[in-house]
Amino acid sequence: QKEVEQDPGPLSVPEGAIVSLNCTYSNSAFQYFMWYRQYSRKGPELLMYTYSSGNKEDGRFTAQVDKSSKYISLFIRDSQPSDSATYLCAMMLNQGGKLIFGQGTELSVKP
Amino acid sequence: NAGVTQTPKFQVLKTGQSMTLQCAQDMNHNSMYWYRQDPGMGLRLIYYSASEGTTDKGEVPNGYNVSRLNKREFSLRLESAAPSQTSVYFCASRGTGTALGEQYFGPGTRLTVT
Repeated sequence: QKEVEQDPGPLSVPEGAIVSLNCTYSNSAFQYFMWYRQYSRKGPELLMYTYSSGNKEDGRFTAQVDKSSKYISLFIRDSQPSDSATYLCAMMLNQGGKLIFGQGTELSVKP
Repeated sequence: NAGVTQTPKFQVLKTGQSMTLQCAQDMNHNSMYWYRQDPGMGLRLIYYSASEGTTDKGEVPNGYNVSRLNKREFSLRLESAAPSQTSVYFCASRGTGTALGEQYFGPGTRLTVT
């Protein structure tokens, strides 16, 4: 079993839809949770960063962490074609630890 | 400010050939990383360097060596390439005091080993 599991998709939604992307993990010691966005043939870029449980909002993006369920989510409101990319979740145990990535979910937002 | 740069962008090797992937960053970051990305596997850490002069193995180090040449540059060497090393390779860097998860990635090197 992989430490971090992510549905690879692809996920296709119409423009304006609310998108929910999810990851589950097995190691309850993870404390730091990230979402990276990767456009085709580009390197990943950090989108959201959360420490421990709770929600974090940034514009149209909301990251949620539920440590009791070992489940994290990224919500995208009013999705745009420019949101079409692969979204990677990542997590780590502590500052100075190594990032463990999920497989990535490919999202396509159709105009 | 170019961020993280990688050369070459593409490379085709025959089994048994060697090559070095180059990475440089101009953000004065202390930590640098090498990942490989394969379909269905996500990003896996090969080697990392927490600071100039130090290197450590990641999740999949076999078949690779690294050199932290100076603070700016971190190279990845394949001594005897194998088809299993066909992948996209990403270099990343992180600054001291920034959140560990905030790694800045280069554009990648697409390597095919035949």
